[in-house]
Amino acid sequence: EDKVVQSPLSLVVHEGDTVTLNCSYEVTNFRSLLWYKQEKKAPTFLFMLTSSGIEKKSGRLSSILDKKELFSILNITATQTGDSAIYLCAVEADRDDKIIFGKGTRLHILP
Amino acid sequence: ETGVTQTPRHLVMGMTNKKSLKCEQHLGHNAMYWYKQSAKKPLELMFVYNFKEQTENNSVPSRFSPECPNSSHLFLHLHTLQPEDSALYLCASSQGGDSGGQETQYFGPGTRLLVL
Repeated sequence: EDKVVQSPLSLVVHEGDTVTLNCSYEVTNFRSLLWYKQEKKAPTFLFMLTSSGIEKKSGRLSSILDKKELFSILNITATQTGDSAIYLCAVEADRDDKIIFGKGTRLHILP
Repeated sequence: ETGVTQTPRHLVMGMTNKKSLKCEQHLGHNAMYWYKQSAKKPLELMFVYNFKEQTENNSVPSRFSPECPNSSHLFLHLHTLQPEDSALYLCASSQGGDSGGQETQYFGPGTRLLVL
């Protein structure tokens, strides 16, 4: 059974801290892994990862994929209160052409 | 198991056809969502229903018509679509109510739509 597991489920840190969010998956015919940030109703796209070991970076956010160990991490450095959100990980699969979402990590940044 | 199912999983339709996508959630949630996922724009919110009332329409063309007969079911009726509407259509549900919008959403597997 295909599944995507995110950890931790929730995290509270102080402004300025660095956080690492985890996403592990078991998916047949992996195509890509996506990270989203959900602040209000709709998640907004952060990264798409398809190749192992290549870091994607956008400002203070970065992400990397390990296709051998079947996981990805999302790093946020020098966190700000505006980083408070639910972070979703999803994996696209070629077989059945479907997308499987994790349950998300709820991140709260204290001022 | 996400508790959110979508049918059909794949759909091929001509531009003059009328078809419907169905979403069902078994989680006791009160909010349901339609999203469009394409290579150009990963995850675009289309519609939101909260307690069967449409609370958000994200400037979606009228050729997409949602219907929410009850809190467990959500439909997306399609007519006279264009080839650029080909995409993965995702349904999601959440607890619903007035929570400021930051609720955990549970997604279905999606319907892959191809418009010829």
